[in-house]
Amino acid sequence: DAMVIQNPRYQVTQFGKPVTLSCSQTLNHNVMYWYQQKSSQAPKLLFHYYDKDFNNEADTPDNFQSRRPNTSFCFLDIRSPGLGDAAMYLCATSNSGREGEQFFGPGTRLTVL
Amino acid sequence: GENVEQHPSTLSVQEGDSAVIKCTYSDSASNYFPWYKQELGKGPQLIIDIRSNVGEKKDQRIAVTLNKTAKHFSLHITETQPEDSAVYFCAAKQRAGTALIFGKGTTLSVSS
Repeated sequence: DAMVIQNPRYQVTQFGKPVTLSCSQTLNHNVMYWYQQKSSQAPKLLFHYYDKDFNNEADTPDNFQSRRPNTSFCFLDIRSPGLGDAAMYLCATSNSGREGEQFFGPGTRLTVL
Repeated sequence: GENVEQHPSTLSVQEGDSAVIKCTYSDSASNYFPWYKQELGKGPQLIIDIRSNVGEKKDQRIAVTLNKTAKHFSLHITETQPEDSAVYFCAAKQRAGTALIFGKGTTLSVSS
């Protein structure tokens, strides 16, 4: 089945140790998003790629970076994780030809020790 | 920018009852309004959406209504079942390339 896949589902890292989360999609959607969701809160958009164009939200910390090497894959890099970065990280995709609909992956739960 | 408010934050109903969750938005330029269901430890799942050229949309036990004049939209779940228990998020979006703005979520509990 076409879907949004995130790996790993659970990631534990140490304070300050770089970590990379990955997302892949078989939907052939041209837009990919990364959201951060903390406990009992709504998802918060960090950035998105519209095709190859990177769009950063104004309040996304510099500690968060992203790469999209091709249509199917997108990575979230956290350069120096702090305790406050512990959260669920959600990848989503959409097709700009079908305005609006976003499909989310299962998320990666990040723990920072 | 857009602001979405969602009420109530928690909702408890008995199995078989109806549940209604309401959202208001601030930006009249918003034209797409999805509803997501998120179960514990999972990503949000799109359950229904509505666009600003439509007033109501229904899919089996769930329906969404939109009042553009008042800038509010609602999710209606009829004949609730225990498996409907989850967190529900409403959202609003203006156009391609802009972000979905989420409400803060409603935790729905359906007891049997």
